[in-house]
Parts: sequence; C-alpha cells; structure tokens
Amino acid sequence: NAGVTQTPKFQVLKTGQSMTLQCAQDMNHNSMYWYRQDPGMGLRLIYYSASEGTTDKGEVPNGYNVSRLNKREFSLRLESAAPSQTSVYFCASTSMRGTSLSYEQYFGPGTRLTVT
Amino acid sequence: GENVEQHPSTLSVQEGDSAVIKCTYSDSASNYFPWYKQELGKRPQLIIDIRSNVGEKKDQRIAVTLNKTAKHFSLHITETQPEDSAVYFCAVYNNAGNMLTFGGGTRLMVKP
Repeated sequence: NAGVTQTPKFQVLKTGQSMTLQCAQDMNHNSMYWYRQDPGMGLRLIYYSASEGTTDKGEVPNGYNVSRLNKREFSLRLESAAPSQTSVYFCASTSMRGTSLSYEQYFGPGTRLTVT
Repeated sequence: GENVEQHPSTLSVQEGDSAVIKCTYSDSASNYFPWYKQELGKRPQLIIDIRSNVGEKKDQRIAVTLNKTAKHFSLHITETQPEDSAVYFCAVYNNAGNMLTFGGGTRLMVKP
C-alpha cells in the first residue's frame, strides 16, 4: 500500500496563477481532508469530504475549491493564487477501526507551495 | 466549533528527563484524542491515542491521560532521547463534524 500520495511535492506560482493539488489514497477510506501548515504553525483544515460525493468547508476555505473525484481521489484547486497561500499543504484520510472508535488520520507527504 | 488549546508552545528538556504536554478542549461530546509527532520536513504521524471511555493509555515511554470532567488530556514522555525532538500536536475528534481539530503544537527539544 502506498497510503496517501500527493502531487506535486513542490510548486512555485506567480500571483494570479491557478493550479490543482492532487491527492489519492489506496486504503479504502471514506473521509479525506486538506490542511495547510504555515511555518511554525499548526494544521488548519481547509476542506474535507466525509464520504464520496460530499464536501464541506473547514476553518480556512476562502480562495480554495475541492473535488472528491471518487473514493480514492480528493483534489484542491487554487483559482487565483495569492502570496498568503504560500504554505505546506497536507492531504489526509481517515479510517474508523471497527467498533474501537478510533479515527486515525493518515497524512500524505505534503506539497510545498510558494506564491511570488 | 471545537476549541483546542495546547501548552507549552516550546519545551526544552535534558536527555533522560520527562516531558509533559497538555491540551484542553471545549466540546464535552468529543470522544477521541490522538497525539501526532511531526519531525522537521516530514508529515505528522500518530504516536498514541485515547478514547473517552479510558483514563490512561501507555505505550513504552509514552503515555496519555484523559480527564473528561475537566476536559483536558496530556502527553507524557519519560526518559527522553534526542530522537524525541520534534513538534507534537494534540487533536480532538468532533463527532458531529467528522473532523479532527488540532492544537497549535509544542516544539520539544531534547538536549543531549
């Protein structure tokens, strides 16, 4: 199992450019998430998808859109990049382990995005 | 929504000493409390978690304690080693929202 994969690993954009960050998981998880992590800061939730066909806003959704393409894939789009969106972006997916009520979140390796 | 506060933001200890990081949360209905470790330049990884029906859980040198009445939980690392140096995040699972809310993180430095 590859777990959670993200592409690209690094990206530099100019202000106003658009791009899509890709995320895929091969663990058959229902829920997927996009976070951003600014230098020296915690993880802030941008959008999440509790199940295929649904998406919801998190704490910091402005300037982003998402698509849950199928159960495996969840993409994040920046329509018009701004310097304030310079950050590391992590995708994650969650398993619910049977009746144990554990919601372990598996993270991808991250995408380092710089907007100049 | 859920509010998670984590303290301290930085913690420096001597190798072999213990380290304790504390988190408080606001939603009394929350029922799952994981701790993640993030090494420099890497992704966060789960190190230990606890459910609301348990007061303490231990795994070798790390343990987590939960006080549901006071709405706080703590990570305890004993006999710290230089490789424990990292940023540690607590999190709280929100049943209604199907999401984790993370604390702000604690940078732990273990001096040899």
